[in-house]
Amino acid sequence: NAGVMQNPRHLVRRRGQEARLRCSPMKGHSHVYWYRQLPEEGLKFMVYLQKENIIDESGMPKERFSAEFPKEGPSILRIQQVVRGDSAAYFCASSLSYQETQYFGPGTRLLVL
Amino acid sequence: LAKTTQPISMDSYEGQEVNITCSHNNIATNDYITWYQQFPSQGPRFIIQGYKTKVTNEVASLFIPADRKSSTLSLPRVSLSDTAVYYCLVGPSGSARQLTFGSGTQLTVLP
Repeated sequence: NAGVMQNPRHLVRRRGQEARLRCSPMKGHSHVYWYRQLPEEGLKFMVYLQKENIIDESGMPKERFSAEFPKEGPSILRIQQVVRGDSAAYFCASSLSYQETQYFGPGTRLLVL
Repeated sequence: LAKTTQPISMDSYEGQEVNITCSHNNIATNDYITWYQQFPSQGPRFIIQGYKTKVTNEVASLFIPADRKSSTLSLPRVSLSDTAVYYCLVGPSGSARQLTFGSGTQLTVLP
């Protein structure tokens, strides 16, 4: 059973460009979570989604950030008009249900030049 | 969510048993205690989860006293590859919708 997959693993963008990060949950998992980790810090929750629904986006910046988890395909975290402060590792996790353990992907490292 | 306190760092030698203690004085009745391990440039990896007393799996043991205000992750006979950051998390139903990661404990295993 493949684990959580994220791509790309590394992404370089210039200020003002858009970044799209993809997450494919573990097989059978319909709950997806996105976290951001700044250098030398712990992970910070961003958003929790189920198929086609955003359940909790309390950790998402109010502007430029959006997330979706369509009926078919991976979950997408989209960052518009990136700034240098968006440089971080973005991790996706998935679970079987909201009460089950979250399993993390390898992360996408975003570098904004 | 209950706040947790862990040592910032610990050093150990290969073959030794390592115990990392986490304080969670404000743990709620329905909170579980979960430990994750994170290697550099990788996502956190689930290690173990418990509610009370003792839980053991193939990787580690988790000791939780009766008052549940602290917990201890025990790693038997560590190796160099156990060098990582270990996070203690507390939340309801074993895995809160949003996991709250603290700074974790940097464990360094020396040869």
